[in-house]
Amino acid sequence: AQKITQTQPGMFVQEKEAVTLDCTYDTSDQSYGLFWYKQPSSGEMIFLIYQGSYDEQNATEGRYSLNFQKARKSANLVISASQLGDSAMYFCAISHAGNNRKLIWGLGTSLAVNP
Amino acid sequence: ETGVTQTPRHLVMGMTNKKSLKCEQHLGHNAMYWYKQSAKKPLELMFVYSLEERVENNSVPSRFSPECPNSSHLFLHLHTLQPEDSALYLCASSQVGPITGELFFGEGSRLTVL
Repeated sequence: AQKITQTQPGMFVQEKEAVTLDCTYDTSDQSYGLFWYKQPSSGEMIFLIYQGSYDEQNATEGRYSLNFQKARKSANLVISASQLGDSAMYFCAISHAGNNRKLIWGLGTSLAVNP
Repeated sequence: ETGVTQTPRHLVMGMTNKKSLKCEQHLGHNAMYWYKQSAKKPLELMFVYSLEERVENNSVPSRFSPECPNSSHLFLHLHTLQPEDSALYLCASSQVGPITGELFFGEGSRLTVL
């Protein structure tokens, strides 16, 4: 069975600094995808970034990058130049090739950006 | 306006009531989802409709009844709920194919069962 572990319930970062949110996963699949979503207080889950298991390069999307270490089964999210609007819950999720409609989610990390 | 709209945003109901949650997507996607988000639990997939056919039903109690009349609309009919059903119910859509795209979520319906 697949599993996502996010060990940091809460994180603080100073505005304009970088922050890393941890995500480790467990899967026996060879082909899978890793996702990061942001959930502000409004409730909507917002897609941030995706990494496929066969992608050789780390994914990047603007200020977001994914530090993918396949051997360690980790997919950490790095947010550079934090902004006040980055304060939110962040969720890591994994899909698998056998059923790519179904994601397994972590418990999330609450990020607070301080001015 | 988001691509996925959910109504109502907040709902309080008694255990004997019948109510419905509505979701509409404006993204032209071919799959829609209901998720349940409870405190201190991972997001739980409840139902998936792909091309208007239910393809996932993850052991959800029968007091939750989904309906997908077309590819843009999804309902969750609620009856005789329990207090433990209080949660944020999130609707999502995606384009499903050989490579499934990311999920697009609505802002959720916050349900409180008294």
